[in-house]
Amino acid sequence: EDQVTQSPEALRLQEGESSSLNCSYTVSGLRGLFWYRQDPGKGPEFLFTLYSAGEEKEKERLKATLTKKESFLHITAPKPEDSATYLCAVQVAGNNRKLIWGLGTSLAVNP
Amino acid sequence: ETGVTQSPTHLIKTRGQQVTLRCSSQSGHNTVSWYQQALGQGPQFIFQYYREEENGRGNFPPRFSGLQFPNYSSELNVNALELDDSALYLCASRLAGDYNEQFFGPGTRLTVL
Repeated sequence: EDQVTQSPEALRLQEGESSSLNCSYTVSGLRGLFWYRQDPGKGPEFLFTLYSAGEEKEKERLKATLTKKESFLHITAPKPEDSATYLCAVQVAGNNRKLIWGLGTSLAVNP
Repeated sequence: ETGVTQSPTHLIKTRGQQVTLRCSSQSGHNTVSWYQQALGQGPQFIFQYYREEENGRGNFPPRFSGLQFPNYSSELNVNALELDDSALYLCASRLAGDYNEQFFGPGTRLTVL
């Protein structure tokens, strides 16, 4: 069965303390892996798409990487405004009609 | 702002009632997906509409139904509401095949008492 697992469930960091969030997946074939940010009471906001192992994408303090079985979202020198839930979703090859979502990592960055 | 709007923002219903949630997609986006997100969970795919036809469905019963209109608006209808239907309902619009440009609305918070 296709599955996406995110860890940790929750993470609390001090401002400037870098860390990484993990998204591991077990799917029959990967078409794309997506990272989203979700603020409380709002819809998810698109961050990155990764398509193949070895690919990396960067945006401000965020960097996403992909291997054949997992993706990491690295946060460098986070700020309080980076506090949010980060969601990972996978599009399975041969099924382009839906995304399989992880449960998310809730990140809190203290000033 | 994503250009995707949803109404209402909050809704309270009682068990057994019916509800209609509305979504206005970004102009030009011919595909809309609806998701259910329970508190502390990731979004769960309900169904997807492409050019006014349902073309994908998740593990939701038939009492969850939808419509998509030519003006890029869409509806999610839920009949015979159950307590477990309490959740944030999200719509997301995009061009067919392009998840890079999938934009979510702010959601409708449904509470079933």
